[in-house]
Amino acid sequence: EVLLVESGGDLVQPGGSLRLSCATSGFTFTSYAMSWVRQAPGKGLEWVSGLSGSGGTTYYADSVRGRFTISRDNSKNTLYLQLNSLRAEDTAVYFCAKGGGFDTYYFDYWGQGSLVTVSS
Amino acid sequence: EFVLTQSPATLSLSPGEGATLSCRASQSVSSYLAWYQQKPGQAPRLLIYDASNRATGIPARFSGSGSGTDFTLTISSLEPEDFAVYYCQQRSNWAPWTFGQGTKVEIK
Repeated sequence: EVLLVESGGDLVQPGGSLRLSCATSGFTFTSYAMSWVRQAPGKGLEWVSGLSGSGGTTYYADSVRGRFTISRDNSKNTLYLQLNSLRAEDTAVYFCAKGGGFDTYYFDYWGQGSLVTVSS
Repeated sequence: EFVLTQSPATLSLSPGEGATLSCRASQSVSSYLAWYQQKPGQAPRLLIYDASNRATGIPARFSGSGSGTDFTLTISSLEPEDFAVYYCQQRSNWAPWTFGQGTKVEIK
């Protein structure tokens, strides 16, 4: 059974930092791309960042490039998202999602989400 | 950046009726389009990938069609559990991989 479990969401002040984690199991982690997708309260889905199975290629939405960093630890089957210089508009539920292939970005499994709230 | 426009925003139907949801891309995405279902408080669920391939465990009443810029998700006969928000998403060769704004299928 494929499982994705996010953690690390919290209330943080504007300008602050946070690291999200996504622990995975049930599939060969290094064979699949992974992504982060967020959803602001009452809004639609926004793809944030992704990286290939090896982690050698990373991708970012313009809205987060230069502030967020995606990474993966293939020895721990875990995906990370480092969020820096946070803004109020980054407030959202952050989902990690498994890609359909090594560098393929439709998302066949999702975690339950981790809430990040940016507020003073 | 590829923009996806979904229509209608809301679809009001009764159980047993058929539903047709549309997704239009600002430029060709070939067949690289997926559909997701999301219920309140839940993560999205993949229904269709690469325009017409049903994901694992998805009932046959869900089907996808289209290529290039125009795509359709069809639900042949709505079950009570199908009332939800549906999103399309493109996975063209270049990031960002964008989602449509969603279509809500509600009970009439």
